[in-house]
Amino acid sequence: KQEVTQIPAALSVPEGENLVLNCSFTDSAIYNLQWFRQDPGKGLTSLLLIQSSQREQTSGRLNASLDKSSGRSTLYIAASQPGDSATYLCAVKQNTPLVFGKGTRLSVIA
Amino acid sequence: GAGVSQSPSNKVTEKGKDVELRCDPISGHTALYWYRQSLGQGLEFLIYFQGNSAPDKSGLPSDRFSAERTGGSVSTLTIQRTQQEDSAVYLCASSLAGGLPDTQYFGPGTRLTVL
Repeated sequence: KQEVTQIPAALSVPEGENLVLNCSFTDSAIYNLQWFRQDPGKGLTSLLLIQSSQREQTSGRLNASLDKSSGRSTLYIAASQPGDSATYLCAVKQNTPLVFGKGTRLSVIA
Repeated sequence: GAGVSQSPSNKVTEKGKDVELRCDPISGHTALYWYRQSLGQGLEFLIYFQGNSAPDKSGLPSDRFSAERTGGSVSTLTIQRTQQEDSAVYLCASSLAGGLPDTQYFGPGTRLTVL
């Protein structure tokens, strides 16, 4: 059974810092991996989707990498801003549903 | 609308009552998913629809949970005889075809509280 783990569970950084969120998964036979952002009381917003054949994806200040063979992904956020404060979720797709980690709760302090 | 919508946004009910949660997917999306997010837990898959059929119901936690989809659009998740452990945020997502890459778009969720 696929299990997705995210470390750390919570992170607090001062504004302007670069930071890395980690995601690991136990079964490397995935189709893709997706990073989401969840704001309190809101749904999930897709940030980046990496296909299993890809190594990384970039969008603005966000960069996500995927090492499928080792079962790891990282989300790099450059020059963090208070508006980046949210919970970040990693999810992998094997079959139909996504399998999610429990998320990393990020606080960026002004 | 442009996105996935869910209603109600909040629902408070008494133990033992039945509740219905509604999801309106993005127009044209054939695949629809229900997930549950309990306090301190990750998102847990409940059921998947392709059109009006549900090829994967493996995540429904008990026979008190059921879901249907009509007209390939709106879906309703019904929880009968609610229990306190059913308290959670119920999220709905839709995608274009359910295949690959299958980017899923999520609604804002329904927060269910069972007293």
